[in-house]
Amino acid sequence: QVTLRESGPALVKPTQTLTLTCSFSGFSLGANGMSVSWIRQPPGKALEWLARIDWDDDKFYSTSLNTRLTISKDTSKNQVVLTMTNVGPVDTATYFCARTQTSNGCIDWWGQGTQVTVSS
Amino acid sequence: DIQMTQSPSSVSASVGDRVTITCRASQSIRTWLAWYQQKPGKAPKLLIYTASSLQSGVPSRFSGSGSGTDFTLTISSLQPEDFATYFCQQSNSFPYTFGQGTKLEIK
Repeated sequence: QVTLRESGPALVKPTQTLTLTCSFSGFSLGANGMSVSWIRQPPGKALEWLARIDWDDDKFYSTSLNTRLTISKDTSKNQVVLTMTNVGPVDTATYFCARTQTSNGCIDWWGQGTQVTVSS
Repeated sequence: DIQMTQSPSSVSASVGDRVTITCRASQSIRTWLAWYQQKPGKAPKLLIYTASSLQSGVPSRFSGSGSGTDFTLTISSLQPEDFATYFCQQSNSFPYTFGQGTKLEIK
């Protein structure tokens, strides 16, 4: 069974760096054809795709957040980490990590999400 | 970036109704489109991928069609558990993008 779980701080101050960890089971990022994406959703708003990391360590980022995001993986620990620098109130959202099929980009398993508030 | 526009933004319907939701891409995405269902406080759930392929375990009353720039999600006979928000997502090119969502409400 595939599961993903996001962890990280619930509250972050403006200008700080946010670090989120996705811990997963039921698949391996060392396996051909697997990827993990991060997606966020501000309260009451639409989903916003942030980044994806592939089994072969290829990385892809949101155009608007490209300079602030870094995605990385630890295959041995079954973890993916997303860092976002210089956060502001507009970054307040629920952050989801999700398994993504490398071949077709569909996001087939989602974590429950972690709520992050940016406030001083 | 490819813009995804859904219509309508919200729709009211009754149990048993047939409902169609539309998603339009700002440029051709071939059939690289997925549909998701999201209920309040929950993560999205994959319904349809590559425009018309039904995800395992999803009821057959859900179907998807389209190619290029215009796509539809159809629910053939609404069930009480289908009242939710639906999102489309393109994976033709990076960055992936989502539609703004369609809220399906009970009439």
